[in-house]
Amino acid sequence: GIQVEQSPPDLILQEGANSTLRCNFSDSVNNLQWFHQNPWGQLINLFYIPSGTKQNGRLSATTVATERYSLLYISSSQTTDSGVYFCAVQETGGFKTIFGAGTRLFVKA
Amino acid sequence: DAGVIQSPRHEVTEMGQEVTLRCKPISGHDYLFWYRQTMMRGLELLIYFNNNVPIDDSGMPEDRFSAKMPNASFSTLKIQPSEPRDSAVYFCASSLSLYEQYFGPGTRLTVT
Repeated sequence: GIQVEQSPPDLILQEGANSTLRCNFSDSVNNLQWFHQNPWGQLINLFYIPSGTKQNGRLSATTVATERYSLLYISSSQTTDSGVYFCAVQETGGFKTIFGAGTRLFVKA
Repeated sequence: DAGVIQSPRHEVTEMGQEVTLRCKPISGHDYLFWYRQTMMRGLELLIYFNNNVPIDDSGMPEDRFSAKMPNASFSTLKIQPSEPRDSAVYFCASSLSLYEQYFGPGTRLTVT
């Protein structure tokens, strides 16, 4: 099956800093989503982005499907951005969803 | 819409007991997914349904696990008998066709 690798595994930022999180996948996919799991465990949709670029406030994402990677950009980070960021893909030909191991982000005040 | 609803939010049970987790998907969504999250294995897909029909249950760990979707607005995940290694957070998610999945708040299960 598809392998999903996220980097870095852990990230500590000073409030106000920018960061880039990466998601690599081993085969072509139908769908790609980015999620933020907050400290209370809730999984929050950030982007549905099988290809192209999207922006939502301080966050933006780019997926280059032909090169099998996606990037999540966080600008002017805030303490509320802390948590775990997951990339999830769906295999072509079906809806089986595979999650990466996540990037754990801590933003210091 | 109220989003995906799961119950109970927390469940503590003794080994050997039957556990039933419940999920109400977002109205109009035709796909429903059950996931399990543990520290060791991360987020794993257990099973998913399309129009109430199970499509892929290859992620269900053992015969002790079963899932049903009797109608478009309700699904259950049952563990019988439960074991301590089943302790995890179980998430339900739903989606409209091939688009983004929306997750419920999860059920934290502890088996002692």
